[in-house]
Amino acid sequence: SQQGEEDPQALSIQEGENATMNCSYKTSINNLQWYRQNSGRGLVHLILIRSNEREKHSGRLRVTLDTSKKSSSLLITASRAADTASYFCATDSGSRLTFGEGTQLTVNP
Amino acid sequence: DVKVTQSSRYLVKRTGEKVFLECVQDMDHENMFWYRQDPGLGLRLIYFSYDVKMKEKGDIPEGYSVSREKKERFSLILESASTNQTSMYLCASSVSIPSTDTQYFGPGTRLTVL
Repeated sequence: SQQGEEDPQALSIQEGENATMNCSYKTSINNLQWYRQNSGRGLVHLILIRSNEREKHSGRLRVTLDTSKKSSSLLITASRAADTASYFCATDSGSRLTFGEGTQLTVNP
Repeated sequence: DVKVTQSSRYLVKRTGEKVFLECVQDMDHENMFWYRQDPGLGLRLIYFSYDVKMKEKGDIPEGYSVSREKKERFSLILESASTNQTSMYLCASSVSIPSTDTQYFGPGTRLTVL
């Protein structure tokens, strides 16, 4: 089974609204990463949060990590149509990253 | 900026053909990875490599092999392509161990096996 599982599978919002995506995982991690994928393209790294960090910001992105609940959330504030993409969390499981199935975010203009 | 390139964006092959997917990175990264991505299954690791001539099996290596003769190039080989290998193939690289560092992805190759 996937180490990281995103929730919801799909999210549709209006431009300007905030988008929140969640990721749950099963085993202890060293870090958790979020990636973005535009349709038919490769993944692009967004942000990495280490297990000893609780929150991290990058521009309009805010990531939280709760290791006691084995969960993370990605918040995109003031969304834009260009944020439409799939978002994946990835957790390290020793020697490799394990990716979830992703959340498809649609931002309507 | 790191650049990871893949030899083809789209590829159509016939069942039984030998298929080579090439990946090149230009940032002297130690680690390279091959994933396949399918709807509902996410990204699954096929093979990865820590160094030249080194390779490690990922989660779904059956039906695939890899070659890393030079540090910058990592090839995925389908010895005898089958229809269930129709998929999006993504190559990635990362700086060094731990290989759980940030990964940089190529644009992907969409392979169709008829």
